Amino acid sequence: NAGVTQTPKFQVLKTGQSMTLQCAQDMNHEYMSWYRQDPGMGLRLIHYSVGAGITDQGEVPNGYNVSRSTTEDFPLRLLSAAPSQTSVYFCASTRHTSGSNTEAFFGQGTRLTVV
Amino acid sequence: GNSVTQMEGPVTLSEEAFLTINCTYTATGYPSLFWYVQYPGEGLQLLLKATKADDKGSNKGFEATYRKETTSFHLEKGSVQVSDSAVYFCALSNDGRPGGTSYGKLTFGQGTILTVHP
Repeated sequence: NAGVTQTPKFQVLKTGQSMTLQCAQDMNHEYMSWYRQDPGMGLRLIHYSVGAGITDQGEVPNGYNVSRSTTEDFPLRLLSAAPSQTSVYFCASTRHTSGSNTEAFFGQGTRLTVV
Repeated sequence: GNSVTQMEGPVTLSEEAFLTINCTYTATGYPSLFWYVQYPGEGLQLLLKATKADDKGSNKGFEATYRKETTSFHLEKGSVQVSDSAVYFCALSNDGRPGGTSYGKLTFGQGTILTVHP
């Protein structure tokens, strides 16, 4: 009963370093997304994917890349880390249904600090 | 565009007190409305949802009613417990068309921190 699995849980990067946050889901959901959570700002959508091979930008995409080669995996890449990217990152997967009846399942988050 | 506004926090209550967390939204079409809860050190979990006007979502003693006329989805609980201490997020998902397909995009409010003391 894994659901959505994110790794790592914690990470410290130096400015300019790159890294990949991993996200995997075992529920065969078409829709996956990445959010960042910052104090007083709720969660903001970074990138999302409606299926394998299809990705698109969300509200705050700058400095991040994504790819979706399989239904299960949706990694988030930081190309050149900046202190402004210090945040908690959440991956989510959602059933793609007709009508307005969706539920998103979230991973446990990755707390990233850029120094 | 879509937006969600939650009451300012943090909220501090004594055990067995009544809880209300206000949430209002702006959206076109027929959004679905959600409350998510985040316990310390964990990810978000769906607490309850409502998909059309006048629907009431409920779970674990929490309730919220979808009020289209006031564009609100306030969260209530009659008697809170220490274990309810968490961050609560109001959110909406909007496909822009009634009965249309939804791509699962969520717009979140800023979150309300709830602390319940014994």
